[in-house]
Amino acid sequence: QQQVKQSPQSLIVQKGGFSIINCAYENTAFDYFPWYQQFPGKGPALLIAIRPDVSEKKEGRFTISFNKSAKQFSLHIMDSQPGDSATYFCAASLLSGSARQLTFGSGTQLTVLP
Amino acid sequence: NAGVTQTPKFRVLKTGQSMTLLCAQDMNHEYMYWYRQDPGMGLRLIHYSVGEGTTAKGEVPDGYNVSRLKKQNFLLGLESAAPSQTSVYFCASTLAGGKETQYFGPGTRLLVL
Repeated sequence: QQQVKQSPQSLIVQKGGFSIINCAYENTAFDYFPWYQQFPGKGPALLIAIRPDVSEKKEGRFTISFNKSAKQFSLHIMDSQPGDSATYFCAASLLSGSARQLTFGSGTQLTVLP
Repeated sequence: NAGVTQTPKFRVLKTGQSMTLLCAQDMNHEYMYWYRQDPGMGLRLIHYSVGEGTTAKGEVPDGYNVSRLKKQNFLLGLESAAPSQTSVYFCASTLAGGKETQYFGPGTRLLVL
């Protein structure tokens, strides 16, 4: 049972282009939505995150848009660069007891062509 | 600081063999997690620990055991490896349970033949 659905599975854009990755969740108890970036052979690293009381968060070229009523959120990458080529995972988080647990999407492999 | 480290980096096992994966963190984090990453599945939580001497089951705990004898170390054990356990295993840690950011190690690639 996948509680966080992510699309597309892969994405190819030209340098300078605009990338969008979408995620949808089911559990309304999720209260924190991070995006992780993973380079080949490395562990995931936090890229940007948002809470459901905010509709948008921007950090540099990366923006999260959040639609609470639709239970959807997306990552927008402006002016995509070859160095952005990586796998991106959305996640949704909630506190279970005293531990915050992450549920990950299936990942999107982004390739930015030079 | 080394952050989160994992050993070994790669291992090949035969079906039925056992092994232990080691995760170590030098950030004095209280909470530690073990995930597995499979193609098209994202990362799934196996077990986690909220402190030294305590562990709990995650989403996919079957076939794995864990121990947290020291705060800085979190061990993942496979008693009798199966081909279905072929995966990349990631350890993560966070300062406290309510903190959102989990810091991941570089992963251990395990192949079970």
